[in-house]
Amino acid sequence: SFGLTQPPSVSVSPGQTATITCSGDALPNQFAYWYHQKPGQAPVLVIYKDTKRPSGIPERFSGSNSGKTVTLTISGVQAEDEGDYYCQSADSSATYVLFGGGTKLTVL
Amino acid sequence: DVQLVESGGGLVKPGESLRVSCTASGFTFSSHGVNWVRQAPGKGLEWVSSISTSSYTTYSNSSRGRFTISRDNAQNSLFLQMNSLRAEDTAVYYCARDSLECSEGACFSTGAFDIWGQGTVVTVSS
Repeated sequence: SFGLTQPPSVSVSPGQTATITCSGDALPNQFAYWYHQKPGQAPVLVIYKDTKRPSGIPERFSGSNSGKTVTLTISGVQAEDEGDYYCQSADSSATYVLFGGGTKLTVL
Repeated sequence: DVQLVESGGGLVKPGESLRVSCTASGFTFSSHGVNWVRQAPGKGLEWVSSISTSSYTTYSNSSRGRFTISRDNAQNSLFLQMNSLRAEDTAVYYCARDSLECSEGACFSTGAFDIWGQGTVVTVSS
């Protein structure tokens, strides 16, 4: 398939751990990236190259890769983590940039 | 401050053309690839086009043949010329910078988009 699949929504209570998955056929051979977008704002990069955290991103954000599925984990979720999360990668030939459909994280 | 500022959005009729721009500041624009990403109302992110530091261009299937990406490093600017616009092109258009990782004096794109503009709204409607 030529796409990235994410669950539409994830809900978690404050202080708990949220996990958001992203699946795609090219993921074993391409890096994945994760963005957080709040309503009315531009996306913010939170994870790059599967597991790396940009400067300024809290340590509670982490990423992992297990073949065709990559995972964003947010440990000790806070209210400010609410919003939409998008994974990004590329097709197997690295020609096209792909985004997942997005996952809405709700902090209960 | 490192920032990207888009401009040029507006309301156009189906079949018309529009050029949106993105002006960079606070960093060496010519050293980074840059990209256009759009977001239709209530929908997710969709990659539109990318241009490398050497002006190599790539396009999504939906933009190829109608849209043209270009850059002017002297003006620290990125452009997207959009022709034959359709209702489904209605979206917020973001420009985004490729992030770099540097080691031992050499820098390489990570593939991530680390700086985004605030977006410019393009509406295609009769």
